[in-house]
Amino acid sequence: EPEVTQTPSHQVTQMGQEVILRCVPISNHLYFYWYRQILGQKVEFLVSFYNNEISEKSEIFDDQFSVERPDGSNFTLKIRSTKLEDSAMYFCASCVAGVGEKLFFGSGTQLSVL
Amino acid sequence: EDQVTQSPEALRLQEGESSSLNCSYTVSGLRGLFWYRQDPGKGPEFLFTLYSAGEEKEKERLKATLTKKESFLHITAPKPEDSATYLCAVQAYNTDKLIFGTGTRLQVFP
Repeated sequence: EPEVTQTPSHQVTQMGQEVILRCVPISNHLYFYWYRQILGQKVEFLVSFYNNEISEKSEIFDDQFSVERPDGSNFTLKIRSTKLEDSAMYFCASCVAGVGEKLFFGSGTQLSVL
Repeated sequence: EDQVTQSPEALRLQEGESSSLNCSYTVSGLRGLFWYRQDPGKGPEFLFTLYSAGEEKEKERLKATLTKKESFLHITAPKPEDSATYLCAVQAYNTDKLIFGTGTRLQVFP
């Protein structure tokens, strides 16, 4: 069964450093998302991306965050200057047709900011 | 404000002991309610989407139902492999995002 692939599975970084989290969505999917889950808390929406542009973003997704689809297969989340509070599990998700459709989530990247 | 509340936070069942998980929601206009299963260290795995009150969906030992204020996930004769955290999420009209609850952590003992 096709799946969303995320790399790395774990990322440790120093506060203030830039990190790039990588995702390969399912190949025929057109809508891409990033969510995050701080330990013990809810899964939270960060951003949605369609047709090579951001379609919606949350208050969390400030100027320190950016997303990119650099080629036909990868989808990345960049955090420019990490903060301690950015420590979380980051999930990439994709779906075929957008709203109302089931999302397929990757296994996540555990980001630890020291 | 759109929100989702799940109860109980945790549930311990004996194998074969049926039960129900609750998801209460408030949303400006419900496009869909989603149930996901999450295993430790993994991403959510899709189970069901419900779109309108009265709708029901089943998959193996799981059955999801929806009213205008809440959804239930009924687990019939659970097995240890059903142990996981079950997440409920809602999506409103005019938005891409899913709003998740904190989940119910289910443990099924042999």
